[in-house]
Amino acid sequence: DAGVIQSPRHEVTEMGQEVTLRCKPISGHDYLFWYRQTMMRGLELLIYFNNNVPIDDSGMPEDRFSAKMPNASFSTLKIQPSEPRDSAVYFCASSFNRQRAYFGPGTRLTVL
Amino acid sequence: DAKTTQPNSMESNEEEPVHLPCNHSTISGTDYIHWYRQLPSQGPEYVIHGLTSNVNNRMASLAIAEDRKSSTLILHRATLRDAAVYYCILSIISSGSARQLTFGSGTQLTVLP
Repeated sequence: DAGVIQSPRHEVTEMGQEVTLRCKPISGHDYLFWYRQTMMRGLELLIYFNNNVPIDDSGMPEDRFSAKMPNASFSTLKIQPSEPRDSAVYFCASSFNRQRAYFGPGTRLTVL
Repeated sequence: DAKTTQPNSMESNEEEPVHLPCNHSTISGTDYIHWYRQLPSQGPEYVIHGLTSNVNNRMASLAIAEDRKSSTLILHRATLRDAAVYYCILSIISSGSARQLTFGSGTQLTVLP
């Protein structure tokens, strides 16, 4: 398996623009997680899905952030409008047995 | 929420064993202890996990205290490629039966040649 795939790997955008991050989980996994990593706050869980259904979005910082999982093989994290403080590395992870998570390589987002 | 406490940084010499400690005094009976590591510019990588008994795999060993309030990740022979941030995490139940991983600040392991 190719592992968790994230795109793009790097994104540079201007404040106010919409940003969409994409994730393809490992085939057969039933949990998908979105994390954000910054120097100040470390790794933070934003939201996770089980069988394509959002279970806990309490980590989503504000209404500018939204996440969807239209099917078992694809998820998006959208920021609209983006702000400089959203600059971070965003990781997607998937899991089958709810114990061991496999992380993608991350998307480095820079909002100017 | 149950939290973990780890030293900010540790050093080890290459080819020597490394013992990375973690305190989790507020752990509950259903929390699993996980270890992940993050190499530079990569996503976190699973290392090992356990509940009560000590665990071994090809990467490392996990020693869990009898009262479960602390654990130690053991790398038997550190290599330069083991230099990473090591996270000790409690896998907690949230929103029903689902489990989530909540990361702390981790231990930066430096391996000296």
